[in-house]
Amino acid sequence: EAGVTQFPSHSVIEKGQTVTLRCDPISGHDNLYWYRRVMGKEIKFLLHFVKESKQDESGMPNNRFLAERTGGTYSTLKVQPAELEDSGVYFCASSQGLAGDTQYFGPGTRLTVL
Amino acid sequence: RKEVEQDPGPFNVPEGATVAFNCTYSNSASQSFFWYRQDCRKEPKLLMSVYSSGNEDGRFTAQLNRASQYISLLIRDSKLSDSATYLCVVTYHMNYGGSQGNLIFGKGTKLSVKP
Repeated sequence: EAGVTQFPSHSVIEKGQTVTLRCDPISGHDNLYWYRRVMGKEIKFLLHFVKESKQDESGMPNNRFLAERTGGTYSTLKVQPAELEDSGVYFCASSQGLAGDTQYFGPGTRLTVL
Repeated sequence: RKEVEQDPGPFNVPEGATVAFNCTYSNSASQSFFWYRQDCRKEPKLLMSVYSSGNEDGRFTAQLNRASQYISLLIRDSKLSDSATYLCVVTYHMNYGGSQGNLIFGKGTKLSVKP
């Protein structure tokens, strides 16, 4: 069974540019999460989709971040315009949706904003 | 105060050593507890869940003390392949979708096992 995949694996952009990260969850997983690790800090939650609906976006840093999950399948996270402090590793995770189900993480996208 | 605090590390130990990691959490409403392992430049992977009664998986033993809001992980007979960062993680059960809700991570403790 394929795991969670993320694209791109790395992205280097300049401040003010736009970047879109993509996550493909494990097939059949209703729950999709985005997390971020900024250098020197712990991994932090950004938001949670159940199918196509945003259930919790309390971790989104500001309105420069926009997440979507079209048709309840893959998800995109767009940063526009990017700032220096947005640099970090963005992880996506998915779970089936039963209580206590394990979240499986993708390999992450390493974003560098110059 | 951070929600989840861990020993900062790094822990440098010889092969075969026993090593213990500690973690405290601040929110008494936390309901589920985990240890994740993260290799360098890789994604976190679930190592084991932590139950109130304590649980063991081979060389790994996890303990939870709800009264003290304290979680531990013990690794016996450490192997070179145990070298990684160990992340203490808590979560709250949510009512929608049956999901476990967002994970709250500690910063992690780096373990380096030397020959």
